[in-house]
Formats: sequence, structure tokens, C-alpha cells
Amino acid sequence: EAGVVQSPRYKIIEKKQPVAFWCNPISGHNTLYWYLQNLGQGPELLIRYENEEAVDDSQLPKDRFSAERLKGVDSTLKIQPAELGDSAVYLCASSLGATSGSIDEQFFGPGTRLTVL
Amino acid sequence: AQSVAQPEDQVNVAEGNPLTVKCTYSVSGNPYLFWYVQYPNRGLQFLLKYITGDNLVKGSYGFEAEFNKSQTSFHLKKPSALVSDSALYFCAVTKRAGGGNKLTFGTGTQLKVEL
Repeated sequence: EAGVVQSPRYKIIEKKQPVAFWCNPISGHNTLYWYLQNLGQGPELLIRYENEEAVDDSQLPKDRFSAERLKGVDSTLKIQPAELGDSAVYLCASSLGATSGSIDEQFFGPGTRLTVL
Repeated sequence: AQSVAQPEDQVNVAEGNPLTVKCTYSVSGNPYLFWYVQYPNRGLQFLLKYITGDNLVKGSYGFEAEFNKSQTSFHLKKPSALVSDSALYFCAVTKRAGGGNKLTFGTGTQLKVEL
């Protein structure tokens, strides 16, 4: 079974440029998460989707970050414009979802390491 | 608000010795607790979870964790460490009622197992 797929794995851009990350969750997983992981820190949730609905985006800096999951499968996270402080690893994760009846484990992709110069 | 504390940035242990990675949590209500492991340039990998029931939870690769409600702890353990266990370990918590599977992670503990 394929895991969570993310691309690109690495991205280097100059500040003020836009950047986008793509995630394809595990087949059948209804819930999709985007996390930010700074060096030496644990992941921090940016946004959570149940199917195509963003049910928790309270930690997403909406002035420059946006996300979409139009068909309830794959998702894109965008930053425009990028700032130096956005340099981090962006992780995507998926889980079965609320219909599973329990809090189930999340499966993580390898992440995209963003460097903003 | 929910939070996790991993008091040790790094744990060093000799191969074959038992290992413990500490985790304490704070959450309103009853918790769901998780341990994840992260290898270099890889995403987090699920090890085990506590939902309810037996306080001793067994997981992947011989790891186990003990839930202690009175001490609000969920320490990760393994009876005999391997060099291949060297990695970054994260504890995470969410609350059962209304948590919405929103995990809060600790800052991680680097485990180093040496020959």
C-alpha cells in the first residue's frame, strides 16, 4: 500500500516568491492534515480537512497561506509571498477520519523542506 | 489547551540495555496519547497509542509505553535497545471528547543507542 506522497521533497526560493506543496493521502483516508515542523520542534498543525471541508484552520496564517482540497483527495498548500521565517519542513498526514469512530493514528508523508533565501 | 513535555532533549543508551523516553501531558478530560518516531529526512512513523483499557500499550519494533493517569505520564520503553532505534521520538496528545484528532506534539527526544 502506498503511503502519503508529497512533492517536491526540497524547495529553495527567494523571499517574496510564491511556493506550492502537493500532497496525496493514503487511499480511503478522509482526513488530511498539513503540519509545519521547525528545526528542533515537533509538528504544529496548520490545517485539517475532513473530505473537502477545512474543519480546523485556526493556526493557518491566512494573510499569506492558503490550502485547498477540492475533490476531497489530494491537497495543495500555498505560500504567497514567502518570508524568511517560513523556512521549515511542511508535513502532510492522513487518517481514516471521523467515520472510523475513533481517534486513529495519522500517517505522515516525508515532508517538503522549504528554504527561503 | 493541551500540551506535551518531553524533558530530555537527548537520551543515550548502550545497545542491549533498556531504554526509557519520558513524556508528560496536560489535557482537559481524558487523553488519547501517541508515540511517533522520525528518522532523518523521513516523515513521522506511528509507534503506538493509548486509547483506553490496559495502561501498558505494546507497539511496533518491541516498543511499549505505560500510561499513568495520576502522574499524567506516558513514558516510552523498550527492554533491549538496538543501534537501529537511534532516531527522534515524539510524544503527542489529543483529548477524547471534542479533540477532533488535533494532535499536540512535544519537542522531541533524540535517542542515541551506541555499541
